[in-house]
Amino acid sequence: AQTVTQSQPEMSVQEAETVTLSCTYDTSESNYYLFWYKQPPSRQMILVIRQEAYKQQNATENRFSVNFQKAAKSFSLKISDSQLGDTAMYFCAFRTGANNLFFGTGTRLTVIP
Amino acid sequence: DADVTQTPRNRITKTGKRIMLECSQTKGHDRMYWYRQDPGLGLRLIYYSFDVKDINKGEISDGYSVSRQAQAKFSLSLESAIPNQTALYFCATQPTANYGYTFGSGTRLTVV
Repeated sequence: AQTVTQSQPEMSVQEAETVTLSCTYDTSESNYYLFWYKQPPSRQMILVIRQEAYKQQNATENRFSVNFQKAAKSFSLKISDSQLGDTAMYFCAFRTGANNLFFGTGTRLTVIP
Repeated sequence: DADVTQTPRNRITKTGKRIMLECSQTKGHDRMYWYRQDPGLGLRLIYYSFDVKDINKGEISDGYSVSRQAQAKFSLSLESAIPNQTALYFCATQPTANYGYTFGSGTRLTVV
């Protein structure tokens, strides 16, 4: 069974600082995909970043980057220069092959002005 | 217009009523999904469809049914709503297996 664990239910960060959200997963597959989604108070689910397991290079999208540790089955999200608009729930998600996305339980991030 | 549109945005219904949540998309994606979101549980898969003739159960399909009327439309029905089906429901689409999902803006359903 595929599982995704986000061990930090809530986090906060000062505006302009850097924060890292943790995610671990469990699978016996070698080929899979990992995602981070953001859900602001508007409740829309927005794709933040995507990582393919066969790529060793960590994905980066502007202020968002990941630290992908395949051996440790860890996929953390780093947000640099945090902005007030980053306040949201963040979900880590995971998929193997043609299977569906499995989501973690989310981390609520608050950016403090 | 949004790529993935869900209607209604919010709905309150009574226990035992039949209700349909609708999803339509303009992205031309074959794959469509229904998830429900509950506090502390993340998103869980209810049903999914890879084309008009393909319907599959997810991990929590009991009490729900779906209809894929066309490539662009995928509806979720609660035949007899119960209070523990109170949740935020999301429809999502995907072009092929290698890509992430595009989500609708959700339907908040309350069963009283």
